[in-house]
Amino acid sequence: GAVVSQHPSWVICKSGTSVKIECRSLDFQATTMFWYRQFPKQSLMLMATSNEGSKATYEQGVEKDKFLINHASLTLSTLTVTSAHPEDSSFYICSASSGGSEQYFGPGTRLTVT
Amino acid sequence: LAKTTQPISMDSYEGQEVNITCSHNNIATNDYITWYQQFPSQGPRFIIQGYKTKVTNEVASLFIPADRKSSTLSLPRVSLSDTAVYYCLVGDISAGGGADGLTFGKGTHLIIQP
Repeated sequence: GAVVSQHPSWVICKSGTSVKIECRSLDFQATTMFWYRQFPKQSLMLMATSNEGSKATYEQGVEKDKFLINHASLTLSTLTVTSAHPEDSSFYICSASSGGSEQYFGPGTRLTVT
Repeated sequence: LAKTTQPISMDSYEGQEVNITCSHNNIATNDYITWYQQFPSQGPRFIIQGYKTKVTNEVASLFIPADRKSSTLSLPRVSLSDTAVYYCLVGDISAGGGADGLTFGKGTHLIIQP
């Protein structure tokens, strides 16, 4: 139980284009989903928290107009990186919580912007 | 915001018991202590979670002293496949807990040798 999937697992895009990453909770309802970014050899950094049906809460320093988050249902959240640039290349990881004290992570999405 | 401090790296050998300690002096009353394992290019995997005293599951034990200012993850009889980064998180993400539990520290890079 408590399985979270992400799609795609990796993506390469050209600078200036937008990329959408999906995060799904497969066997539970996720009232809250979290989006992280991880650069090579570094720890995970929380980008934003999203609750189903509400606007996401972004961490300080994260541009909400660049990283669009939609949590339209209890099993799906999406992160859209708009006008991507090479510095946005990173490993993006989502996690989901059903309201308890645990969060379950997806496998991550490797984004490379050329 | 409860911060955590862990050793940057540890070495051990196959078959040994490994104990990784995390300091969290500012832990709040409602905070849980959760440990995750992460392999390269994968999302973190939940290992164990506790609030106080001792918790044991099929893969690890978690020891928490009465003052809760530290915790120790114990991995019995490690194998080469346990080589990974281990993160300790302290916080409460349940309803109303917000994002306080979502600041990953640098983690402990555990290396298991034959």
